[in-house]
Amino acid sequence: GAVVSQHPSRVICKSGTSVKIECRSLDFQATTMFWYRQFPKQSLMLMATSNEGSKATYEQGVEKDKFLINHASLTLSTLTVTSAHPEDSSFYICSARDLVGAEETQYFGPGTRLLVL
Amino acid sequence: GDSVTQMEGPVTLSEEAFLTINCTYTATGYPSLFWYVQYPGEGLQLLLKATKADDKGSNKGFEATYRKETTSFHLEKGSVQVSDSAVYFCAPAGSGGNLIFGKGTKLSVKP
Repeated sequence: GAVVSQHPSRVICKSGTSVKIECRSLDFQATTMFWYRQFPKQSLMLMATSNEGSKATYEQGVEKDKFLINHASLTLSTLTVTSAHPEDSSFYICSARDLVGAEETQYFGPGTRLLVL
Repeated sequence: GDSVTQMEGPVTLSEEAFLTINCTYTATGYPSLFWYVQYPGEGLQLLLKATKADDKGSNKGFEATYRKETTSFHLEKGSVQVSDSAVYFCAPAGSGGNLIFGKGTKLSVKP
């Protein structure tokens, strides 16, 4: 199946710094990518929908100025956590939508674990 | 809004036991339905899917049937293995193309 990579897989940063997470579709083009957040032992919550060449659509309660999303190409979306605080510590997961004919499948990245000290 | 209710875990079974993980959803229209699996320390992997009513998705011995009447997509496997130990997520597609995840059901299979 298709592969989605995320980088870094794990990051530790100091409070107040910014962290950029990359999500790449390796063998297909994705006009749409999604960013999710997963808290320990809980489900994935959609943060935002990233569309290539346009502004991201954020879910209610997600601060767009804090979680900057850029989808500059058909294979890359980035999530930047600006001025990170300990409460931003979480597992961030991206997915990329692959449209083949009438079939649609989402492929998930392996996730990025962020720890803010 | 759209939502999904998934059987609470953890579920602990002996090897070769029968598995059922219940999943019901509320949604506008008839979305595609998915089961994803997350093995320890790994990312989400698509397990199976069904795109229309009465479709049966299957993979690795797991099956789930799209039941429009009961808005359900229960996951079943006739004989589980230790290697099936993981967290299973039921996920209907949302109207924006995203997936709406249940809370996940942790399965532990003992030898």
